[in-house]
Amino acid sequence: AQTVTQSQPEMSVQEAETVTLSCTYDTSESDYYLFWYKQPPSRQMILVIRQEAYKQQNATENRFSVNFQKAAKSFSLKISDSQLGDAAMYFCAYRRSGAGSYQLTFGKGTKLSVIP
Amino acid sequence: DGGITQSPKYLFRKEGQNVTLSCEQNLNHDAMYWYRQDPGQGLRLIYYSQIVNDFQKGDIAEGYSVSREKKESFPLTVTSAQKNPTAFYLCASSKNRAPYEQYFGPGTRLTVT
Repeated sequence: AQTVTQSQPEMSVQEAETVTLSCTYDTSESDYYLFWYKQPPSRQMILVIRQEAYKQQNATENRFSVNFQKAAKSFSLKISDSQLGDAAMYFCAYRRSGAGSYQLTFGKGTKLSVIP
Repeated sequence: DGGITQSPKYLFRKEGQNVTLSCEQNLNHDAMYWYRQDPGQGLRLIYYSQIVNDFQKGDIAEGYSVSREKKESFPLTVTSAQKNPTAFYLCASSKNRAPYEQYFGPGTRLTVT
């Protein structure tokens, strides 16, 4: 079974600084998808960024980028120029490729605080 | 605007009562999902449905039931058999093709006393 591990239960960052959240996963598959979701205090899950395992290029979305290391099974999220609105729980998630594999496997999350 | 709605936001029930949580989407997604979130935990899959009139158990289906009579709707019933029903429940939907991104509703906080 696939597992996703987020080893940092809590992190903090100074406003305007950069922070990196870690995620590792365990799989025997070669093709899969990885996601970072943000859960602010409202508790609605918001998709931040997606990475396809077959793509070597790291995904970026504005201030958010990932460092995808397939051999190491590592998928970290970098937030640049941190803003107060970035304060939230961040969840890493894994999904096998293929139409029959519907389950997203989530890590337990990292709580990010942004210090003004 | 397209999206997923869940109602109500907060729900209170007495122990022994069944309760149904609503989930509606207008994204024209084929697949829908129910997750449970407990403090300090990630999300755990309860049930999912790929198409109308078909659904599959997830990791923690015991004590729950679902139906999928319409593409837009996927209600979840928490039965009295669920031993620890107090939790935050999230509904999601996705297309049945890559990259299978799941989009979530705002959630329902269920408290059973």
